[in-house]
Amino acid sequence: KQEVTQIPAALSVPEGENLVLNCSFTDSAIYNLQWFRQDPGKGLTSLLLIQSSQREQTSGRLNASLDKSSGRSTLYIAASQPGDSATYLCAVIGGSNYKLTFGKGTLLTVNP
Amino acid sequence: ETGVTQTPRHLVMGMTNKKSLKCEQHLGHNAMYWYKQSAKKPLELMFVYSLEERVENNSVPSRFSPECPNSSHLFLHLHTLQPEDSALYLCASSQDYSRRPYNEQFFGPGTRLTVL
Repeated sequence: KQEVTQIPAALSVPEGENLVLNCSFTDSAIYNLQWFRQDPGKGLTSLLLIQSSQREQTSGRLNASLDKSSGRSTLYIAASQPGDSATYLCAVIGGSNYKLTFGKGTLLTVNP
Repeated sequence: ETGVTQTPRHLVMGMTNKKSLKCEQHLGHNAMYWYKQSAKKPLELMFVYSLEERVENNSVPSRFSPECPNSSHLFLHLHTLQPEDSALYLCASSQDYSRRPYNEQFFGPGTRLTVL
């Protein structure tokens, strides 16, 4: 059974800092890995989707990497802003099932 | 906006009530999903519908009853719920329901359900 773990569970940083969120998964036979953002009281917004054959994806200040063999992904946020405050969720699809398996998320607070 | 809407956004109900959650997608997708997000737990897939046919029931108690009358609408009928069913219920849709190629799921804003 695929399990996804996100570390840290919560992170508080001052504005402008570069930061890294970590995601690990137990079954490396994935098809894709996706990072989402969830704002309080709102649904999920897709940030980056990494195909299993790719090693990284970039969008603006966000960069996500994928190391399938070690079962790890990182989300790098450059020059963090208060508007980046949200919960960041990592999800994988594949392995022994076709489902999107989520981690519990990392609650990020960027202080002005 | 993702093109997936959910109503109501908030719902408070007693354990003996019957209520329904509604999801509508405006993306022309063929697959729709219900997820449950409880506090301190990862999102859990509940049901999947593909072309209005239920293709996945992830061991969900019968007090949750899904309905998909057409490819644009998905309902979750609730009856005799328990306090532990209080959670955020998220709806999602994707172009198709298949493993390859990956069909990205688009999520609605969710319904915050509180069972008293």
